[in-house]
Amino acid sequence: KQEVTQIPAALSVPEGENLVLNCSFTDSAIYNLQWFRQDPGKGLTSLLLIQSSQREQTSGRLNASLDKSSGRSTLYIAASQPGDSATYLCVTSGTYKYIFGTGTRLKVLA
Amino acid sequence: EAGVAQSPRYKIIEKRQSVAFWCNPISGHATLYWYQQILGQGPKLLIQFQNNGVVDDSQLPKDRFSAERLKGVDSTLKIQPAKLEDSAVYLCASSEPLRTGDNSPLHFGNGTRLTVT
Repeated sequence: KQEVTQIPAALSVPEGENLVLNCSFTDSAIYNLQWFRQDPGKGLTSLLLIQSSQREQTSGRLNASLDKSSGRSTLYIAASQPGDSATYLCVTSGTYKYIFGTGTRLKVLA
Repeated sequence: EAGVAQSPRYKIIEKRQSVAFWCNPISGHATLYWYQQILGQGPKLLIQFQNNGVVDDSQLPKDRFSAERLKGVDSTLKIQPAKLEDSAVYLCASSEPLRTGDNSPLHFGNGTRLTVT
């Protein structure tokens, strides 16, 4: 059974810092991995999707990497801003369908 | 492309009342999901449809929750009667038909925040 863990659970950083969010999964037989952000009480906004054959994806200040063999993905946020404050979720898809990570709650201080 | 549409945006009801949520997925998306997200927790899958058939409803409290997708497009989720612990955000998501080896991305609506008093 797929289990997806995110570390840290919460993170507080000053504005301008570069930061890395981690996502670990136990079953490497995934089809893709998706990173979402969620603002309080709102829906999930897709940030990046990495297909199983890819190593990384970039969008603006965001870069996501995928290492299936070690069961890990990272989301790198460059030059963080207060507007980046949100909960970040990674989601794997595969035989077990979509499995959500435990989430990282990020706060960027002005 | 238009995103996943959900309504209402907010709903406040008293316990033992009934409530219904509506979802319109992205055009062409055969797979539709309803998730319940309690404050501070991750989304929990309640029910998954493939067209108008149920793929997974193992975590749906069937004594009070029901969902349908009669024409394989729009879907409604109903709670009757509501309990205090049903207070949560109800999220609808859709994806293209599941294909072995290439699951498509999930797309979420903005959710409905339900408060049961």
